[in-house]
Amino acid sequence: ILNVEQSPQSLHVQEGDSTNFTCSFPSSNFYALHWYRWETAKSPEALFVMTLNGDEKKKGRISATLNTKEGYSYLYIKGSQPEDSATYLCAFGNRDDKIIFGKGTRLHILP
Amino acid sequence: KAGVTQTPRYLIKTRGQQVTLSCSPISGHRSVSWYQQTPGQGLQFLFEYFSETQRNKGNFPGRFSGRQFSNSRSEMNVSTLELGDSALYLCASSLEGQLKQYFGPGTRLTVT
Repeated sequence: ILNVEQSPQSLHVQEGDSTNFTCSFPSSNFYALHWYRWETAKSPEALFVMTLNGDEKKKGRISATLNTKEGYSYLYIKGSQPEDSATYLCAFGNRDDKIIFGKGTRLHILP
Repeated sequence: KAGVTQTPRYLIKTRGQQVTLSCSPISGHRSVSWYQQTPGQGLQFLFEYFSETQRNKGNFPGRFSGRQFSNSRSEMNVSTLELGDSALYLCASSLEGQLKQYFGPGTRLTVT
């Protein structure tokens, strides 16, 4: 059974602090790992798509790393801002064209 | 460029009825995928269409079906609705050969 786990489920971070969370996925038959940000009442927005072991992607204050051999990815947010409050989803895609989403990490930024 | 649009945005149906949801992808995108999100669950993949052909299918019963038209617009149909079908249904489109998906705002279906 393909399973994607995200931790923590929920996180409260003080504005200005940095934070990170994890996505664990099957290490076999890997094709791609996606990160999305999903703000309330909006559509999920793609942040990163990573395909190579060791990939590191950066978009402003947000970055992500990928380890396909051990099956995990980290998402980092530096200097959290109120607009970072959202649910962050990761999705694992394998070579059989299956895409499995995690349940997300809900991030709350405290002013 | 206009984003992915979905209609209707909200829908209330009665158990046993059927429903059709519509998704218009971003212009030029030929791949459309459908997802279901229920409380406490991650997004679950329903199916993907490309050039009017179903390319991939998730683990959902046959009551869930879809199709894609020549203009890449896609519809999803659920027959004999059950209470458990109450969910947010999202569609996403992508360019051929690209992994990045662009999501629509979703259709919130409530089955009573």
